[in-house]
Amino acid sequence: SQKIEQNSEALNIQEGKTATLTCNYTNYSPAYLQWYRQDPGRGPVFLLLIRENEKEKRKERLKVTFDTTLKQSLFHITASQPADSATYLCADTGRRALTFGSGTRLQVQP
Amino acid sequence: EAQVTQNPRYLITVTGKKLTVTCSQNMNHEYMSWYRQDPGLGLRQIYYSMNVEVTDKGDVPEGYKVSRKEKRNFPLILESPSPNQTSLYFCASSLMSGGPLSGANVLTFGAGSRLTVL
Repeated sequence: SQKIEQNSEALNIQEGKTATLTCNYTNYSPAYLQWYRQDPGRGPVFLLLIRENEKEKRKERLKVTFDTTLKQSLFHITASQPADSATYLCADTGRRALTFGSGTRLQVQP
Repeated sequence: EAQVTQNPRYLITVTGKKLTVTCSQNMNHEYMSWYRQDPGLGLRQIYYSMNVEVTDKGDVPEGYKVSRKEKRNFPLILESPSPNQTSLYFCASSLMSGGPLSGANVLTFGAGSRLTVL
């Protein structure tokens, strides 16, 4: 079956380092991937979108890559800050029934 | 302010007592959707609507109903709630500017409704 998966283990990093989160998809190739941030008890907020024909997309300290060979998208936060601590979700939004990964929780230690 | 508003934000109810979670958006969005979020399972889509009077099932529609009589409103109805419907529910909307199947459509989420069914 078609799946979109994220590492369920929390990622802990030191302030100032680059955080890298992974989104893998299996048994299909999404045309688009979106990344959202979710804070505890709140709704997800859109961050970035990348198309399958784009290798990389940037927005301020955020960068997303899309590797169709590895069937993987990487989400990077450079110069991370404690305020970046949250759960990050990737989503395949190229279909009517939009599908989200289960999210990876990022904790940035001061 | 552009937003998706859900009510109630918190609700404790008992098995079998019908309830409705309302969702309203003020952005004139065509697409609206309901998700539930459970630990370890992530966001799962319950129902979605491409436009007024057009609704379709998502991945987990059992036990839920929806209606889309007006563009701005998309209520979620639990006719006979059961404990396995205890969850955090999110409503979301999108402009669908790229067409119904365009992955470029960005979702705006509500703040969530935490439902407990005893």
